[in-house]
Amino acid sequence: AQSVAQPEDQVNVAEGNPLTVKCTYSVSGNPYLFWYVQYPNRGLQFLLKYITGDNLVKGSYGFEAEFNKSQTSFHLKKPSALVSDSALYFCAVSDTGRRALTFGSGTRLQVQP
Amino acid sequence: DAGVIQSPRHEVTEMGQEVTLRCKPISGHNSLFWYRQTMMRGLELLIYFNNNVPIDDSGMPEDRFSAKMPNASFSTLKIQPSEPRDSAVYFCASSPFSRGDTEAFFGQGTRLTVV
Repeated sequence: AQSVAQPEDQVNVAEGNPLTVKCTYSVSGNPYLFWYVQYPNRGLQFLLKYITGDNLVKGSYGFEAEFNKSQTSFHLKKPSALVSDSALYFCAVSDTGRRALTFGSGTRLQVQP
Repeated sequence: DAGVIQSPRHEVTEMGQEVTLRCKPISGHNSLFWYRQTMMRGLELLIYFNNNVPIDDSGMPEDRFSAKMPNASFSTLKIQPSEPRDSAVYFCASSPFSRGDTEAFFGQGTRLTVV
């Protein structure tokens, strides 16, 4: 079975500071890893994904994520946070044997002006 | 592209009533997913279809829930009879390929309240 853990319910960061949202995963095969963002009363929007290759993946809105196989982690990062980045962030995983995404519990990012 | 379209956006119904949620996936996508989001359980996969065929319905809570995909452009999720614990936001998502490495595109969801 595959699973995702997001250990922080909420992350607070000041505008302009770097941010990190943590994610660890468990799958039986090679992982496919995703980050999504959800704004209030909206659906989930795709940010980025790791399939294979370079461990640092760049995505939308200046976000990037680092895949670490030995630590089974896929942390989301941004060098300089914006107030408009405040939202709910979900990490998700699938593998070659399962076509549907399994989501973590979500981390609420609050960027203070 | 209009994206994944769900209707209604909000639904309030009384316990025991039948509820039908609707989804129109993105044209050309061959995989469709129904997820449920609650505070307690987060985002749960209910069922997914590939080429209109149900592949995995292990997440469907019980027999009160049923899903159909009569054609490539339409799917329904039905709850009969509805119960207060079914209150949640239900998301439909579609994907262009039936592979694990492909992202899904989500609709805006249907907020269901059962009173």
